[in-house]
Amino acid sequence: AQSVTQPDIHITVSEGASLELRCNYSYGATPYLFWYVQSPGQGLQLLLKYFSGDTLVQGIKGFEAEFKRSQSSFNLRKPSVHWSDAAEYFCAVENQGGKLIFGQGTELSVKP
Amino acid sequence: EAQVTQNPRYLITVTGKKLTVTCSQNMNHEYMSWYRQDPGLGLRQIYYSMNVEVTDKGDVPEGYKVSRKEKRNFPLILESPSPNQTSLYFCASTWGGAISGEQFFGPGTRLTVL
Repeated sequence: AQSVTQPDIHITVSEGASLELRCNYSYGATPYLFWYVQSPGQGLQLLLKYFSGDTLVQGIKGFEAEFKRSQSSFNLRKPSVHWSDAAEYFCAVENQGGKLIFGQGTELSVKP
Repeated sequence: EAQVTQNPRYLITVTGKKLTVTCSQNMNHEYMSWYRQDPGLGLRQIYYSMNVEVTDKGDVPEGYKVSRKEKRNFPLILESPSPNQTSLYFCASTWGGAISGEQFFGPGTRLTVL
């Protein structure tokens, strides 16, 4: 069955430090992968997506993610975290029917 | 401005009282869907629609109904709400009938069923 796992429920990093959020997926075909961010009280906003081609994708707000087929992973990274990055982050895979399957989410807290 | 709107944003109701949450998009998207978000479970798809008059069940359709009479609107209907339907609900739309690009999400509707 298709699934997405985000192993870290909550992560705290210091402002200015680097960030990596983990995402592992289970999907039989070539996956279409997404990272969304949800700020408190807001809807979801797309950070970046991977469909094919270059396995390192750039997104908005200085985020990037790397698709590693051998590890079934699509980890999100940012070199230097800002306080405004505090939010919940969701990894998702899209199946052939257009359905998004989400991970459980990782809540990011940023220390001053 | 391209957007997905949902109404109401907040709703408190009682068990068994029928309610409808509206969803509308102004981007001429074919594909629309409803998700519910619960702590520790992420977002789970309730129903989706690939075009007008075409709807299908997602992962958690029990207790919900939808309709797609017009391209822009995709209301979510709870005929007899129960407390386990207390949740945060999101409507989303995208241009693709199947594989697509970005899904645009509405602001969410927080529903409490007493």
